[in-house]
Amino acid sequence: KQEVTQIPAALSVPEGENLVLNCSFTDSAIYNLQWFRQDPGKGLTSLLLIQSSQREQTSGRLNASLDKSSGRSTLYIAASQPGDSATYLCAVNTGNQFYFGTGTSLTVIP
Amino acid sequence: GAVVSQHPSRVICKSGTSVKIECRSLDFQATTMFWYRQFPKKSLMLMATSNEGSKATYEQGVEKDKFLINHASLTLSTLTVTSAHPEDSSFYICSASILGLQNEQFFGPGTRLTVL
Repeated sequence: KQEVTQIPAALSVPEGENLVLNCSFTDSAIYNLQWFRQDPGKGLTSLLLIQSSQREQTSGRLNASLDKSSGRSTLYIAASQPGDSATYLCAVNTGNQFYFGTGTSLTVIP
Repeated sequence: GAVVSQHPSRVICKSGTSVKIECRSLDFQATTMFWYRQFPKKSLMLMATSNEGSKATYEQGVEKDKFLINHASLTLSTLTVTSAHPEDSSFYICSASILGLQNEQFFGPGTRLTVL
């Protein structure tokens, strides 16, 4: 069974810093991987989707990479802002089922 | 495009009553819809997968008689929590995928259920 782990569980950085969130998964037979943002009490907002054949995706200040063979993905956030404070979840799609990580709670301090 | 809505966004009910949550794909046809449950400070857990016109497939440990899922059309799936108990209080999120878009999922905003 696929297991998805996110490290760190919580992260606090000063505004303006670049940061990296990590996601690892145990089974490399994936279809794609998605990064989501969740604000407290809210639903999920999709940030980036990386297909299994891709190495990275970029959107604005966000860059997600995927190394399928080693079972790892990273989400890089450049020039962090207080509005980036949220929980970030990665989810691995093995075909038609998603496995979610436990998330990284990010706090960006003004 | 690819917007998924949920209704209601919040619901409070008494123990023993049933609650229905709707999940709609607003601008696309969703061949498959998923229902997730999220406990406080925990990740999402898949409850069931539903395909239009067929019975839902429930994950292990999810009571199918308690969590009734209906996917009657390509734009609507409903989750009914029957005989709700306080331990059913949770955040329920649905998602939908479009056949042919490589299984990208689009998530609804979630429904906060509180059972008194």
